[in-house]
Amino acid sequence: AQSVTQLDSQVPVFEEAPVELRCNYSSSVSVYLFWYVQYPNQGLQLLLKYLSGSTLVKGINGFEAEFNKSQTSFHLRKPSVHISDTAEYFCAVKDNFNKFYFGSGTKLNVKP
Amino acid sequence: DGGITQSPKYLFRKEGQNVTLSCEQNLNHDAMYWYRQDPGQGLRLIYYSQIVNDFQKGDIAEGYSVSREKKESFPLTVTSAQKNPTAFYLCASTTQSSNQPQHFGDGTRLSIL
Repeated sequence: AQSVTQLDSQVPVFEEAPVELRCNYSSSVSVYLFWYVQYPNQGLQLLLKYLSGSTLVKGINGFEAEFNKSQTSFHLRKPSVHISDTAEYFCAVKDNFNKFYFGSGTKLNVKP
Repeated sequence: DGGITQSPKYLFRKEGQNVTLSCEQNLNHDAMYWYRQDPGQGLRLIYYSQIVNDFQKGDIAEGYSVSREKKESFPLTVTSAQKNPTAFYLCASTTQSSNQPQHFGDGTRLSIL
C-alpha cells in the first residue's frame, strides 16, 4: 500500500508571498499524483494532476507542482498567494488498482 | 452539469439509531468511494465499489455498511455499532481509467444528538 506524507500541518504566509506545500509518497513504482483543495464544509476540488511527461505541472488558480521521481516528492507551489487561497490542501496518490491514498492535509492561512 | 450529489448536508443521529447517507452521481463513473474526515486526520477510506453489485471494505469499515444496486448510487449506512460517528463524510467517484482523478461531492456532516 502507498503512503502519502504532508510534512506541514499548517503553513502561515502573508498575502503576495510565495508558498510551497510539501508532499512525499512512499513508492517509486508508477503512480498518478494529484493535489486537491478543500474550502470549509465543502468537498475536495482538483487543483492539478501528474500522469506522465513533463515534471512541472500547472493547475488552476496559478498553482503548479513539480514531480521528482528520485525524491518521491510532488511539492505544490504558488509564486504569489491571495487571501482567497486560504484553505486546506491535500496531496493524493492513485495506484494501478484504482485506490487513492491521501495525505493528512496542509492548512494554508494567508494573512493580509 | 454532471456531478456528485450528497444528501443531506447535515444529519443528526440518536443513540442506537441507524442513519443512511445518500450519494448519487451522473458522471457515468464505474467506481465510487466513501471517506470519513476528522480534523487533522485527512481522509480515511470506509468502503469502495468498482462495479455494480460489488464493494470492498476500506481501512475503517467497522460500524458501516453500503450497497451498490445501481451504477449511479452508493448509499452509506452508519449503524448503531459505530460508536463515534461524528465526522464529515465525503463521497467520490472516478472512471476505471487508471490516470483519472476522483470527483467529490460536497459532503454530509453527521453529529450525535
